[in-house]
Amino acid sequence: GDSVTQMEGPVTLSEEAFLTINCTYTATGYPSLFWYVQYPGEGLQLLLKATKADDKGSNKGFEATYRKETTSFHLEKGSVQVSDSAVYFCALSGPTNAGKSTFGDGTTLTVKP
Amino acid sequence: EAEVAQSPRYKITEKSQAVAFWCDPISGHATLYWYRQILGQGPELLVQFQDESVVDDSQLPKDRFSAERLKGVDSTLKIQPAELGDSAMYLCASSLAWTEETQYFGPGTRLLVL
Repeated sequence: GDSVTQMEGPVTLSEEAFLTINCTYTATGYPSLFWYVQYPGEGLQLLLKATKADDKGSNKGFEATYRKETTSFHLEKGSVQVSDSAVYFCALSGPTNAGKSTFGDGTTLTVKP
Repeated sequence: EAEVAQSPRYKITEKSQAVAFWCDPISGHATLYWYRQILGQGPELLVQFQDESVVDDSQLPKDRFSAERLKGVDSTLKIQPAELGDSAMYLCASSLAWTEETQYFGPGTRLLVL
């Protein structure tokens, strides 16, 4: 079945540092790929998505590129802020049921001033 | 901005008791999802509704869990009897249709079973 693997956390960075959170996936066909963010005590919010190979999703300074050849969708940000501290989830949804999403286990990011 | 509403936000119960969670999706959203999120893990889909019909409940432990969306709007997830291993965050999400990939999540209900 479909699966998503994220780099293990937690990740601790200083403010203005470069962020990379790795995500690889296994799926049948060509899924859409997502990054969600979850702040403490809240539900998940969609951060960005990409629907086909070589697409780049971007939002709030975060970027991720859909790499079919490496089955990856790594999240990057050039300069993190304290307010970026949260849990980040990589997810996919398959072509047979667009709404059914498979999530990774999440990566906790802490940004220190 | 329209949001998915869930209640209660927190629930503490003893094992073998019954619990129920409520979700009100964004108005006009035909598809509703219930997820279970165990601490330190990603959400796992329990049940997916399209209007009032169940599309996918393959991961719902049907011996103790039930879900309904009688009028195709709000939904209730019930656990009876609760077990210690049910302690988790229960998230509700909605989308315009099952073909729509973008889901909008509620704040969740955190359940603790003692």
